[in-house]
Amino acid sequence: QKEVEQNSGPLSVPEGAIASLNCTYSDRVSQSFFWYRQYSGKSPELIMSIYSNGDKEDGRFTAQLNKASQYVSLLIRDSQPSDSATYLCAVTSSYAGNNRKLIWGLGTSLAVNP
Amino acid sequence: DGGITQSPKYLFRKEGQNVTLSCEQNLNHDAMYWYRQDPGQGLRLIYYSQIVNDFQKGDIAEGYSVSREKKESFPLTVTSAQKNPTAFYLCASSIYGLNEAFFGQGTRLTVV
Repeated sequence: QKEVEQNSGPLSVPEGAIASLNCTYSDRVSQSFFWYRQYSGKSPELIMSIYSNGDKEDGRFTAQLNKASQYVSLLIRDSQPSDSATYLCAVTSSYAGNNRKLIWGLGTSLAVNP
Repeated sequence: DGGITQSPKYLFRKEGQNVTLSCEQNLNHDAMYWYRQDPGQGLRLIYYSQIVNDFQKGDIAEGYSVSREKKESFPLTVTSAQKNPTAFYLCASSIYGLNEAFFGQGTRLTVV
């Protein structure tokens, strides 16, 4: 059973701090990695995708991928109360030959305190 | 405005009735997906379609049916055979093969 694991939280950080969210995955051949943000009662919103080892920055968000260690992380700099949400990690996983599908973590709840 | 539109936003169903959830996209994406989300269980794949007139079962397809007659549309029918249909249903689409999925606003189905 291919899995994606996240700490459920809640992760609580003060406004202006760096929030660090982590995700580990079990399928060694996974190639694509995504972070989604989901506000309560709303649908997930894609915020970052990463495909190769290293860091990828987009505004206040940085995704970090380490395929050897099978983890992907999301850093949120200068955290704002509006960042309070559940962050979902999703990883592509191979099955049945060339088919791929997304495997989802359960999400980490982030609370940014003013 | 490009995007994915799900309707209705809220839906109430009596036990024993079939209901159909609508999903339309104008992103010109080939692949479309239906997920179900329950509290504490994360996203579970119901059905997906990578091209018109073709679709595959996901992890929890029992009690659901879909069709893909047009590239833009992927409706989901929740049948009376689905034992516990109350959930938040999410439709998504992606460019074929890339799996970078974009979601509609969701339909919250409640069985009364």
